Amino acid sequence: QKEVEQNSGPLSVPEGAIASLNCTYSDRVSQSFFWYRQYSGKSPELIMSIYSNGDKEDGRFTAQLNKASQYVSLLIRDSQPSDSATYLCAVRRGSTLGRLYFGRGTQLTVWP
Amino acid sequence: DAGVIQSPRHEVTEMGQEVTLRCKPISGHDYLFWYRQTMMRGLELLIYFNNNVPIDDSGMPEDRFSAKMPNASFSTLKIQPSEPRDSAVYFCASSLAGEQQETQYFGPGTRLLVL
Repeated sequence: QKEVEQNSGPLSVPEGAIASLNCTYSDRVSQSFFWYRQYSGKSPELIMSIYSNGDKEDGRFTAQLNKASQYVSLLIRDSQPSDSATYLCAVRRGSTLGRLYFGRGTQLTVWP
Repeated sequence: DAGVIQSPRHEVTEMGQEVTLRCKPISGHDYLFWYRQTMMRGLELLIYFNNNVPIDDSGMPEDRFSAKMPNASFSTLKIQPSEPRDSAVYFCASSLAGEQQETQYFGPGTRLLVL
C-alpha cells in the first residue's frame, strides 16, 4: 500500500462547478496535510495546509480532514479555467520530521 | 526573499557524461530536499538534508547519483555517468522546522535530457 493515494483522474468539470479532489494516507499517526498545485511545466506550489479534523476554508478552496478515516480532500468552489492543473496531496508522518510523502497527483481540467 | 534557486534550468547532455545540478535554499531554512519527477513515477524524493547532514538517501536510484550540502546555502546533485533513463525534472525544495508544520517551498526545477 502506498503512503499517499489520490484518485487518479483526470477530472474534468465545467466552469463554475465544484471540483472535489480526494486523498487517502496509510500512516494513522500522520500529523500535517498539504495540497500543492502544479501547473504544466512549473513547480509545485502550496495552496492549502490542514492539521486538525474538520474543514479549513481559504477563498474558493476548502480542505477537509478526517483522521479516523485517514482521508483528506480539497474542494474548489466556482471552478475557473485557471484552476486547471495537477493537484498533489502531501502528508507529513508523525515519525519523520521534515519529510513529506506525496501522492501521484490528480489532473484537473476546468472547461469554459 | 528570492525563493529556492536552481541551476541550470535546462540541461541536455549525452549518455555517459557527468551532470551537476545546483540548489540554493531559502535563507534560514534548515531542511533541503531533492526530488525527481517523471510522468511514469510522479514526484520521487531522492535525498534530504537537515542542517547540512543527509538524513535519508534511500530514494537515490543507484551509486551513479550523489548529493552534497557543503554549507547551509548550497547543495549539489551529481549524476555520473548519466543515462537516458535519468531524463526527468529535478526539483530542489527547502523548509524550516517548526514553521507552518514544515511547509516545503520548491525551486523552478532543472529539466534534464540525457541523449
